[in-house]
Amino acid sequence: QVKLVQSGAEVAKPGASVRVSCKASGYTFTDYYMHWVRQAPGQGLEWMGWINPKSGDTDYAQKFQGRVTMTRDASISAAYMELSSLTPDDTAVYYCMRVPCLINRCSPQNWFDPWGQGTLVTVSS
Amino acid sequence: EIVLTQSPATLSLSPGERAILSCGASQTVSRNYLAWYQQKPGLAPRLLIYDVFRRATGIPDRFSGSGSGTDFTLTISRLEPEDFAVYYCQQYILNSPLSFGGGTKVEIK
Repeated sequence: QVKLVQSGAEVAKPGASVRVSCKASGYTFTDYYMHWVRQAPGQGLEWMGWINPKSGDTDYAQKFQGRVTMTRDASISAAYMELSSLTPDDTAVYYCMRVPCLINRCSPQNWFDPWGQGTLVTVSS
Repeated sequence: EIVLTQSPATLSLSPGERAILSCGASQTVSRNYLAWYQQKPGLAPRLLIYDVFRRATGIPDRFSGSGSGTDFTLTISRLEPEDFAVYYCQQYILNSPLSFGGGTKVEIK
């Protein structure tokens, strides 16, 4: 079945960067857009951006532009989200999610299914 | 950017009761580009509904979505114990940043 498995929890210091991975299985990785959202403790969901795993094209939410970089390694069906210049406000669970519609048929603007299990990133000195 | 406002923030109901959750948009959500998710503590959100009313695979028919324009509703016809969770709406219209509502918590009364 379609599955997204994310890397483990991270602790980072203010000013540092963190990279979260998302490994896909059960489908052709390059055929579907991948998005990232985050959820601060006790808060709602905040969209961060997407990557086209086939072309590497990306689109980031304005709030994160200049600080976030989304990449992929198609050879191992993995997507990555790197966030730099971390502050304690970046403490959150980060999720990857797939758009369940083929890239050549659908917009990246879509609903999400499935989601990865989430990766807790804690920013603390 | 479209702002989604969910109400109420918390809904206290008993198993077997009907739950009606609202999602209001600051601008028209064109082409019915609205989805609903369920999230339980410690877990990732799960897709329930997309395109306003289409149920995702495996979602029971006690969940239904409706609405248009700027006002949308998720209805759970008869609450089961496993339905007590937080629910989020999300819009995905073209040429606008994706956004989620703030969530409605459905708790046991």
